[in-house]
Amino acid sequence: DQQVKQNSPSLSVQEGRISILNCDYTNSMFDYFLWYKKYPAEGPTFLISISSIKDKNEDGRFTVFLNKSAKHLSLHIVPSQPGDSAVYFCAASERVGNQFYFGTGTSLTVIP
Amino acid sequence: GAVVSQHPSRVICKSGTSVKIECRSLDFQATTMFWYRQFPKQSLMLMATSNEGSKATYEQGVEKDKFLINHASLTLSTLTVTSAHPEDSSFYICSAIPGTSYEQYFGPGTRLTVT
Repeated sequence: DQQVKQNSPSLSVQEGRISILNCDYTNSMFDYFLWYKKYPAEGPTFLISISSIKDKNEDGRFTVFLNKSAKHLSLHIVPSQPGDSAVYFCAASERVGNQFYFGTGTSLTVIP
Repeated sequence: GAVVSQHPSRVICKSGTSVKIECRSLDFQATTMFWYRQFPKQSLMLMATSNEGSKATYEQGVEKDKFLINHASLTLSTLTVTSAHPEDSSFYICSAIPGTSYEQYFGPGTRLTVT
């Protein structure tokens, strides 16, 4: 049972444009969310997080939006750069120290 | 940021042998470590949760006698794949949580190939 879903397996965006990656979850008890970036044959790298008390968190070119009523979060990258090309995973957790549930990932390709 | 290392990064072994993978938190103490497995083009799948000083908690469908986990100290957890078979070939990733942090820090992963 996939509690965290990323319905778009891939996304292509022109350099300089905005990339929007989406993530949906089913468990209303999730209160902390993360986005990870992963290159092939490497471990995931933490990108940005958001807790359920917020609906937006921004860090440079990366912004995560959380819509709790819709159980939906999204990652916006603007402007997109070729180096952003990677697989992006969203993850959710119920509480501190608890396991994270991962989505299936979205492969982003930024075209120069 | 916090650093988690894994050793080895890549290992090839023969069918029937056992392989041990180490996961170390280098600059923090981790009471909880997680072991994940990733199949090609799929998500990270949690295998087990490793707590220092106690038995690991395995996810449904993961054989605890095949994937032995030992969390002997606050900075080291090991995963031993026993009697490895070609279908065990995969990318294994560990992660660690420092103290009461939400953030999970991942190791670089270990590519296991069983021939």
